[in-house]
Amino acid sequence: DAGVTQSPTHLIKTRGQHVTLRCSPISGHKSVSWYQQVLGQGPQFIFQYYEKEERGRGNFPDRFSARQFPNYSSELNVNALLLGDSALYLCASSSPTALGGYTFGSGTRLTVV
Amino acid sequence: KQEVTQIPAALSVPEGENLVLNCSFTDSAIYNLQWFRQDPGKGLTSLLLIQSSQREQTSGRLNASLDKSSGRSTLYIAASQPGDSATYLCAVRDSNYQLIWGAGTKLIIKP
Repeated sequence: DAGVTQSPTHLIKTRGQHVTLRCSPISGHKSVSWYQQVLGQGPQFIFQYYEKEERGRGNFPDRFSARQFPNYSSELNVNALLLGDSALYLCASSSPTALGGYTFGSGTRLTVV
Repeated sequence: KQEVTQIPAALSVPEGENLVLNCSFTDSAIYNLQWFRQDPGKGLTSLLLIQSSQREQTSGRLNASLDKSSGRSTLYIAASQPGDSATYLCAVRDSNYQLIWGAGTKLIIKP
């Protein structure tokens, strides 16, 4: 079985640009979450989607948005990029119950210059 | 607000030693706790998942315990190997289905 897949693996963007990151969950998982991890810190929660509905949002500005598609894949969009947006962006899928653990993809390394 | 703390921030031990990593959380109302491993520049690999009703989980040389009442979890690694060198993170899943993370313990196993 394929795990959580993220694309692209690395990305370099210029300040002010827009970026779209993509994630495909494990087959059968209907929930996708996005996390931002700055170097040397633990991940920070950005969004969670379940059955195409936003179920949670972390403390991130409106420049960050996401959506989930009918096949449960997801996109994370970031507008007006800032240098501080440089980070590893991680996607996780999980079963919809509270008992399920999270499985993470390998992440997208975003560098804003 | 849930806060997760991991101590120590870094640990260096000789190969073969047994070691314990600590994770504490402030709110005992958790659904589960998960330990992850992260190699430099890489994603997160799940090691062990402990449900709130469980006391411990084991996988190979790894054993994780959970004491919800005291807000503590430990990850025990037996007979450490150089390949165990990585950053270990714990995360608790709250009632909002979010993972709240510690900052991690960077582990170095010296050959």
